[in-house]
Amino acid sequence: NAGVTQTPKFQVLKTGQSMTLQCAQDMNHNSMYWYRQDPGMGLRLIYYSASEGTTDKGEVPNGYNVSRLNKREFSLRLESAAPSQTSVYFCASRFAGLETQYFGPGTRLLVL
Amino acid sequence: GESVGLHLPTLSVQEGDNSIINCAYSNSASDYFIWYKQESGKGPQFIIDIRSNMDKRQGQRVTVLLNKTVKHLSLQIAATQPGDSAVYFCAERSGGGADGLTFGKGTHLIIQP
Repeated sequence: NAGVTQTPKFQVLKTGQSMTLQCAQDMNHNSMYWYRQDPGMGLRLIYYSASEGTTDKGEVPNGYNVSRLNKREFSLRLESAAPSQTSVYFCASRFAGLETQYFGPGTRLLVL
Repeated sequence: GESVGLHLPTLSVQEGDNSIINCAYSNSASDYFIWYKQESGKGPQFIIDIRSNMDKRQGQRVTVLLNKTVKHLSLQIAATQPGDSAVYFCAERSGGGADGLTFGKGTHLIIQP
């Protein structure tokens, strides 16, 4: 199993550009999550999806949209990137009934 | 403010010694706690977890202690090795059906040879 995979690994954007961060898991997990991590900080929840077809806001959803494309894939979209969105983005997933979340390797995003 | 925090941003220990990383939380409704290890340039890696109905849980070389009275969580690493060098995060899941984890800021564990 590849676990949780994320693409791209790195991205540089100009202010106002849009992009989609991709996440996929092959563990048949039900729930998927997007977090951001800023220097010296823990991870903060942006959005999550408890199951295919449902999404909910987390702690810091402003400026982002998400799509749960199917059970395996959960994408995060920045419609108009801002410098404040410079961060490392982590996707995670977990199996229903179990608490442990498993994380991907992250996408490092720089917005100029 | 942060619901989950750590007492020290950096902890330096000698190789072979035991390490204790502390975490305080403020949400008494939290029912699940978890420790992650994050190496440079990588995603968080699960270490050990504990439910609120327990006060101790042991894994391989790691032990998590939960003191609900003072809302304190600790991670003990026995016989610390160079490969243990990383940032360690505690996280909590609030009760009441909320999803997602709330993370602390992290403690950087440095292993001295």
